[in-house]
Amino acid sequence: GEDVEQSLFLSVREGDSSVINCTYTDSSSTYLYWYKQEPGAGLQLLTYIFSNMDMKQDQRLTVLLNKKDKHLSLRIADTQTGDSAIYFCAESPNNNDMRFGAGTRLTVKP
Amino acid sequence: DSGVTQTPKHLITATGQRVTLRCSPRSGDLSVYWYQQSLDQGLQFLIQYYNGEERAKGNILERFSAQQFPDLHSELNLSSLELGDSALYFCASSVIAGRTDTQYFGPGTRLTVL
Repeated sequence: GEDVEQSLFLSVREGDSSVINCTYTDSSSTYLYWYKQEPGAGLQLLTYIFSNMDMKQDQRLTVLLNKKDKHLSLRIADTQTGDSAIYFCAESPNNNDMRFGAGTRLTVKP
Repeated sequence: DSGVTQTPKHLITATGQRVTLRCSPRSGDLSVYWYQQSLDQGLQFLIQYYNGEERAKGNILERFSAQQFPDLHSELNLSSLELGDSALYFCASSVIAGRTDTQYFGPGTRLTVL
């Protein structure tokens, strides 16, 4: 199986909060990332968190890290139709190699 | 438009062949990254170069190689191609080399191996 696991699909209504979850297996991961991929485009780094942090907030985005359970989540507040995309969780044990989850396809309904 | 260019956009070739994918980073960016995205393997980091030198290596096969030239453009060489190499290959660039430095992605090269 994959080292980084995510659910494949999430559907929310515009204005609601979205929570995308991710689990990783490498406890030595020092950096954890969230990327966004829109149709036909490359990846956009949304946010990242160091492993010694529990939470990071950046405007509408909140990242929560539970290092004990190796669980990472991305919360998008006031989700908009423009947030519809695939969201990838990624871990980097040593800031060199990167391992990605399969991606969660977020659909935002008006 | 991210400022990162990749050529060609599409490439169709046969098994056993060799191809070269090219990437020009954004002006001023020193670091170049290569990624492979396929249905089977998902998104995988392949390799990173910084100012002409290899900086990090991911899940890159021995049949694949890359380099970054003095003008900072990069090429990814794929040889002895197999059907499973069919994928979207992305290049990204960033100003410096840190993983948390914002990476700007190119539009990708879609490789089809028949």
